[in-house]
Amino acid sequence: AQSVTQLDSQVPVFEEAPVELRCNYSSSVSVYLFWYVQYPNQGLQLLLKYLSGSTLVKGINGFEAEFNKSQTSFHLRKPSVHISDTAEYFCAVSGRTGRRALTFGSGTRLQVQP
Amino acid sequence: DVKVTQSSRYLVKRTGEKVFLECVQDMDHENMFWYRQDPGLGLRLIYFSYDVKMKEKGDIPEGYSVSREKKERFSLILESASTNQTSMYLCASSLRRSTGEQYFGPGTRLTVT
Repeated sequence: AQSVTQLDSQVPVFEEAPVELRCNYSSSVSVYLFWYVQYPNQGLQLLLKYLSGSTLVKGINGFEAEFNKSQTSFHLRKPSVHISDTAEYFCAVSGRTGRRALTFGSGTRLQVQP
Repeated sequence: DVKVTQSSRYLVKRTGEKVFLECVQDMDHENMFWYRQDPGLGLRLIYFSYDVKMKEKGDIPEGYSVSREKKERFSLILESASTNQTSMYLCASSLRRSTGEQYFGPGTRLTVT
């Protein structure tokens, strides 16, 4: 079984400031890791994913995330946010074998203020 | 582009009604999923399907059933809607051998009164 914890339900930040959204997971098997973004009144869109290899992965819209196996974390970062980044962000995991459904965290609402 | 469509964006139903939520994908994906999204709880898996006429329970299947008669279509059925099923419902699809990446529809916000 897998579980995902997003430590912050809301993160307010000023425009052009850096931001980090935290995600920790637990799993008895090897996993793939994902960040999805949900803009208001829309479905989820893949931001980035970690499958294997380099622990630093880059995604769309200037976001990146770092996989840390020892800390079982997959934190999302952006060096300078824009108003348009205001959205809800979900961390998710899926097993590398067996059931391929995603297990999601509870989400972090990023609020970018001018 | 992969497209996943859901039959309604907003739906209002009465307690006890039978409710059908339809999902269609146009990329020949084998896997399809139904999630419900609630504030503070993220997305929780209701049912999924790896093939036509095949279904498996997710984490919260109680009160729901599904139907997959054609590869592109996956229906979620609320046999007797209750107020605690008021939620946002999201459909997703993926390739059988995918590394887990899923493509989501826009969601259906269901209100049961």
